[in-house]
Amino acid sequence: ETGVTQSPTHLIKTRGQQVTLRCSSQSGHNTVSWYQQALGQGPQFIFQYYREEENGRGNFPPRFSGLQFPNYSSELNVNALELDDSALYLCATQGGGGYTFGSGTRLTVV
Amino acid sequence: AQKVTQAQTEISVVEKEDVTLDCVYETRDTTYYLFWYKQPPSGELVFLIRRNSFDEQNEISGRYSWNFQKSTSSFNFTITASQVVDSAVYFCALSEARRSNYQLIWGAGTKLIIKP
Repeated sequence: ETGVTQSPTHLIKTRGQQVTLRCSSQSGHNTVSWYQQALGQGPQFIFQYYREEENGRGNFPPRFSGLQFPNYSSELNVNALELDDSALYLCATQGGGGYTFGSGTRLTVV
Repeated sequence: AQKVTQAQTEISVVEKEDVTLDCVYETRDTTYYLFWYKQPPSGELVFLIRRNSFDEQNEISGRYSWNFQKSTSSFNFTITASQVVDSAVYFCALSEARRSNYQLIWGAGTKLIIKP
């Protein structure tokens, strides 16, 4: 148990649909990052939120968007899903120089 | 450009053998951090170690040890007397201080298989 909880754990969506993934932390750290990990690859940085503001973004199109709430929980939204969006989505909180990851949401787009 | 290379895609050894996982990185930053994470089949990334660029001391933690060499831009990870429970995918990652968000740049991972 890492203290970072992601929901749902698995999800199947149809191409063109929209999806919302959620992340919450017991620690109350004010920084959360989202990563996409395609099968057999290392994670790729999507974006980070710090105190409810986006603080850096990787090479992902605008249809990937996020939110961070006053309790520091976070959402990742993906619009107009594509087959290539099928991946494990990981969120991580940062604090004390370290990163704590959740178990991820496995998204399958069909 | 910043980059992390894990050239070994998959390694298979018999239990109790020693195994070394290689990691080579590229960065223009003088201040950076290197990490190793373990990812078992459950998918969760388990933190193993963080090293900053000013600390080249090798580190040992039980059966795990890390060799950081700035001269060759490498940060290798050795498991001594491997066990079946060590089977997982291992990732090396880099974080640069010049990026305010300290985003992690990951290698492709090395799948380690420990046979009984």
